[in-house]
Amino acid sequence: KAGVTQTPRYLIKTRGQQVTLSCSPISGHRSVSWYQQTPGQGLQFLFEYFSETQRNKGNFPGRFSGRQFSNSRSEMNVSTLELGDSALYLCASSSWTRNNEQFFGPGTRLTVL
Amino acid sequence: DAKTTQPPSMDCAEGRAANLPCNHSTISGNEYVYWYRQIHSQGPQYIIHGLKNNETNEMASLIITEDRKSSTLILPHATLRDTAVYYCIVRVKDTSGSRLTFGEGTQLTVNP
Repeated sequence: KAGVTQTPRYLIKTRGQQVTLSCSPISGHRSVSWYQQTPGQGLQFLFEYFSETQRNKGNFPGRFSGRQFSNSRSEMNVSTLELGDSALYLCASSSWTRNNEQFFGPGTRLTVL
Repeated sequence: DAKTTQPPSMDCAEGRAANLPCNHSTISGNEYVYWYRQIHSQGPQYIIHGLKNNETNEMASLIITEDRKSSTLILPHATLRDTAVYYCIVRVKDTSGSRLTFGEGTQLTVNP
């Protein structure tokens, strides 16, 4: 089975721009979660989607949004980028029938200049 | 989700057992202990989880104390590739959400 894939792997943007990151979960997985990892804050939960519906949301401003498509692929969008948005963005997928074992992708490294 | 406490760093000699402790004194009866690890610049990787019985899989063993207030992850024969940050997470195991709350974890360094 192919693992979780994320595109792009690296991205450089400037302040004020917006960015869209993509995540393809493991085949058959309907839950997709997003996390932000920074040296200062560590790994923080952004949101989770299940069957195209947002099921959980972390404590992030409204500039961070996401969506999930009918094929379970997910995108997250960050608008009006700030320098502090520079981070590794990780996507994880899990199966409804499994024991909440999360499979993480390699992440997208976003740098905001 | 219950809070966990882990030592910030540990060292282990290659080939020896690595024993990583985790305190979760406020754990509730329906909360499980999960372990993940993150090798530098990669996504976290699931290792093992348990409720109250000791668990073993191909990667590691999980020992949970009888009062469930602490646990130990054991890597029986550590290799250099086991150098990573190890996260102990306590949460309810259900299908209503997959949110994981990561702490700071333990940086395990396996030395040759």
